[in-house]
Parts: sequence; C-alpha cells; structure tokens
Amino acid sequence: DAGITQSPRHKVTETGTPVTLRCHQTENHRYMYWYRQDPGHGLRLIHYSYGVKDTDKGEVSDGYSVSRSKTEDFLLTLESATSSQTSVYFCAIAPFSSGYEQYFGPGTRLTVT
Amino acid sequence: GENVEQHPSTLSVQEGDSAVIKCTYSDSASNYFPWYKQELGKGPQLIIDIRSNVGEKKDQRIAVTLNKTAKHFSLHITETQPEDSAVYFCAASNNAGNMLTFGGGTRLMVKP
Repeated sequence: DAGITQSPRHKVTETGTPVTLRCHQTENHRYMYWYRQDPGHGLRLIHYSYGVKDTDKGEVSDGYSVSRSKTEDFLLTLESATSSQTSVYFCAIAPFSSGYEQYFGPGTRLTVT
Repeated sequence: GENVEQHPSTLSVQEGDSAVIKCTYSDSASNYFPWYKQELGKGPQLIIDIRSNVGEKKDQRIAVTLNKTAKHFSLHITETQPEDSAVYFCAASNNAGNMLTFGGGTRLMVKP
C-alpha cells in the first residue's frame, strides 16, 4: 500500500462522540487525501492537504475537520459522530510534483451506533 | 464540479473473454484519467492511467482509450482471469490535477 498506514483499522463508536483517524506515510509525498466509500457512491473526497498546515475542503466536508502538522501525518476528525458517518475511510497520497497519481491506504472501517 | 458516470455497475464474463468498462465525464478541462482496482477488504490500487494528450495506452492485458471530444474513456481487459475479479473505479482529475472525482464502480466477476 505504497508506504501508507491507517489507524485504527476498525472502530465502533457511539453517536455524539469525537473520533480521530490517522493516516501516516513514509513516502514524503506532498499531497494527502481523505475519502469515504459508501455503497452506490464510489469514493468521495472529504478533505485534502497540499502541504503542512495547508488543507482544503472536498465534496463532502460537513462534519469533518483535518489537520496536518507534519508531512507524514494527516488526521481526520469527526467532531461529533453521527450514524450517517458510518463508512469506510481511505487515505491517499500523491507525489510532491503534482497530485495526479494517488495511492491509497488500506482503509478504516468506522461504525457509529 | 466534475461528474463521472461509470457503466455497467456489474459485469460477468467467462474466463478468457474480454471485459470493457466505460466512463463519461462532464468537465472538458479534466486532463488525467486513472483506473483503480479494488479487491475485497483492500484499498483501491492504481492499475493504469491516461492523460488527455494521449488516445490509448496499453499495459499487458489492460488498455485504456480516451475520446476527449465525446468526453468518455474506457478500460479494456483481454484474456480475463479469475484474479481479475474485483471492483474497478474510473476517475477524472480537475484541471490542476490535484483532485479526483470517481465513478460509482463496476463489479467484475470472471467465471472459471
């Protein structure tokens, strides 16, 4: 998985609790992305980062925040988890020179009860 | 924003046959079109990509074609094998190349 790890790999949490997912890369790539994958919707971009402390919103950013304090780590926080945020979350990275080729991590399955 | 539609949603072929998956996109400024393969329980894996200055690209049994005028691109898999069974996603980039919009996916089943 191109030097990308995600933690935790599985998590069950209750509605209303905050949750943080971590993406860690060893490739020193500039771009990092968070997607969610739901049946019938493919992969949808939540937020992305184009450098340390540089982030921007994607298609489905409501209810999510991100932070990138180091090149290798990109954190996704669900401020107050809801059942609609039950999903599989994937992190992706892309090389320094451009964001074109994206390489995905193994995913985190999140269940909000 | 960009909209990518992918067809069919499921495809069943006999081992050795060819498989074709088609995608259309809406933004004529899109210039990069990757294809991903996702096996059960894993993250999507980039298998082939094409840029807008190229009409066709091949890599062993897989090929991708791009028709910029019609705004559609296709994945062709020849001599399919059971290990080709997976979900395949197409995607299109924005003009800057730093964001991808994905199609809804195609579940390919190759029957031995």
